Amino acid sequence: AQSVTQPDIHITVSEGASLELRCNYSYGATPYLFWYVQSPGQGLQLLLKYFSGDTLVQGIKGFEAEFKRSQSSFNLRKPSVHWSDAAEYFCAVGASGGSYIPTFGRGTSLIVHP
Amino acid sequence: KAGVTQTPRYLIKTRGQQVTLSCSPISGHRSVSWYQQTPGQGLQFLFEYFSETQRNKGNFPGRFSGRQFSNSRSEMNVSTLELGDSALYLCASSSGLPDDQPQHFGDGTRLSIL
Repeated sequence: AQSVTQPDIHITVSEGASLELRCNYSYGATPYLFWYVQSPGQGLQLLLKYFSGDTLVQGIKGFEAEFKRSQSSFNLRKPSVHWSDAAEYFCAVGASGGSYIPTFGRGTSLIVHP
Repeated sequence: KAGVTQTPRYLIKTRGQQVTLSCSPISGHRSVSWYQQTPGQGLQFLFEYFSETQRNKGNFPGRFSGRQFSNSRSEMNVSTLELGDSALYLCASSSGLPDDQPQHFGDGTRLSIL
């Protein structure tokens, strides 16, 4: 069965600092990997996704993620965090082949200090 | 372009009742998927409908059901409500084509069971 672990429940960074949110997955084949962001009282927004090819994926809002098969990781990064990035971030894994039944991590809450 | 619309935004029910939630996808999208979000279990996939047919299903009891209409609008029904059904229910839409995963989520319906 597929699973996702986000080891950090909360992360606090200062505005302007760099950010890395960790995500480890368990899946038997090549996975589809996703990062979503959820602001309070709102639904999810897809930041980026990895299906195949280049292991460094660029997303919206200046985010990127790197797929590392050897480490079963798909960490999210941003070089300089803005106060508006404060939100909940979810990593998800889905089966490859088009049938999208995602498994989500428990989320990481990002707190941004001025 | 209008986004994914979920109605109602808030709902209060009592145990044993049933409830119907509605989701209107982005115009032209044929796939609607539903998710449950709770503090205890996190985000979980409920089911996906494509062209009026359930295409994928998560691991939820039969009390949770859905349908999709010819205009792609979808409804989710939960019968015999339990306290544990209190959650934020999210829906997302996509074209439904392979490798086009849900990017557009509604703001959710928050269901409270008394």
